[in-house]
Amino acid sequence: QVQLQESGPGLVKPSGTLSLTCAVSGGSISNNNWWSWVRQPPGKGLEWIAEILHSGNTNYNPSLKSRVTISVDRSKNQFSLKLSSVTAADTAVYYCARLEVATLRYYFDYWGQGILVTVSS
Amino acid sequence: DIVMTQTPLSLSVTPGQPASISCKSSQSLLHSDGKTYLYWYLQKPGQPPQLLIYEVSNRFSGVPDRFSGSGSGTDFTLKISRVEAEDVGVYYCMQSLQLRTFSQGTKVEIK
Repeated sequence: QVQLQESGPGLVKPSGTLSLTCAVSGGSISNNNWWSWVRQPPGKGLEWIAEILHSGNTNYNPSLKSRVTISVDRSKNQFSLKLSSVTAADTAVYYCARLEVATLRYYFDYWGQGILVTVSS
Repeated sequence: DIVMTQTPLSLSVTPGQPASISCKSSQSLLHSDGKTYLYWYLQKPGQPPQLLIYEVSNRFSGVPDRFSGSGSGTDFTLKISRVEAEDVGVYYCMQSLQLRTFSQGTKVEIK
């Protein structure tokens, strides 16, 4: 059973950089699935942010691309998100998730529990 | 970018009664491989989303058969044949034809 766990600061100052890590257990990050970040502002809907393959191939949400970097560390079986120049609008619960691609399904089947990140001075 | 639009935005249902949610995409989700990359998720209060339906009409592992999906091209529907108390939450459709986009969601509550 694959499990994902987000970690990182729960408070980030405006104009700063949000940095989160997702640890993957119960499976290898080096299989042929994509590893993703999805966020949810309080009381609002889901927004896909970015995804990465173990090889380092990436895809980004065009609306966030200029501020987002996603990376993978195969040795630690984890992947990370950096979001720069944050504002209050970036306050959200950030989820990491696995996008099942190995069977060509392209759905999110495993999710972390989410981490609330607040942007405030 | 593909835009996903759901209706209604909220739904109040009596237990045992059916419910239906509509999802429309701004362009066809049919791929040249013959698959349609439309999915349905349920987010229960305080939890991450969980997959219900993939590729329009296929129930994910463990999903009760009271949930069903249908549609094609740009118009899709999720139906719950008999709503139960555990079905409360927000339902989202998502497309994976071009990257990933979620709809704004439909909040389902019990009367």
